[in-house]
Amino acid sequence: GAVVSQHPSWVICKSGTSVKIECRSLDFQATTMFWYRQFPKQSLMLMATSNEGSKATYEQGVEKDKFLINHASLTLSTLTVTSAHPEDSSFYICSARISGTYEQYFGPGTRLTVT
Amino acid sequence: AQKVTQAQTEISVVEKEDVTLDCVYETRDTTYYLFWYKQPPSGELVFLIRRNSFDEQNEISGRYSWNFQKSTSSFNFTITASQVVDSAVYFCALINPRGNTPLVFGKGTRLSVIA
Repeated sequence: GAVVSQHPSWVICKSGTSVKIECRSLDFQATTMFWYRQFPKQSLMLMATSNEGSKATYEQGVEKDKFLINHASLTLSTLTVTSAHPEDSSFYICSARISGTYEQYFGPGTRLTVT
Repeated sequence: AQKVTQAQTEISVVEKEDVTLDCVYETRDTTYYLFWYKQPPSGELVFLIRRNSFDEQNEISGRYSWNFQKSTSSFNFTITASQVVDSAVYFCALINPRGNTPLVFGKGTRLSVIA
């Protein structure tokens, strides 16, 4: 139980295009999901907290207009990187919290490369 | 504020050596959970252990063991008889189970086990 999937697992896109990453909780409901970004040889940096049915809360320094987060259902959150630039190339990991608990489970990550 | 410090950035050991990864945390909460995760080169976070603040018993799981000491705010992780497959980045993390907060991660320790 408590499986989180991410799609795609890797993506290559051209500079200026937009990319959508999906995070799904497969066997539980997740009122809250978190999006992290990890650059090579660095730790996970929290980008935003996504709450079902409401606007996401972004961490300081994260552009909300560039990283669009939608959490339209209790099992799906999406992160859209708009007008991607090479510096957005990174490993993006989501986690989903089981509703009513503190327990968080991580997706396998999405490796984004912007050329 | 909560903080997790992993002072060792990189460790290199020879196979079969024992190695201890340090983790020191800061929190004002009396109730909290501590975690260790392994991140192999594939990138996916692998859950290793969770420990709540009221349980100071040390734990052993195969070649892995954890030493939790509230007096020094430490939650150290020891791998006995290390193997090449143990090579990965290891993250220590902390969470307050109340509220809508995410895991707070340390910066990670990169372990290289050399054959």
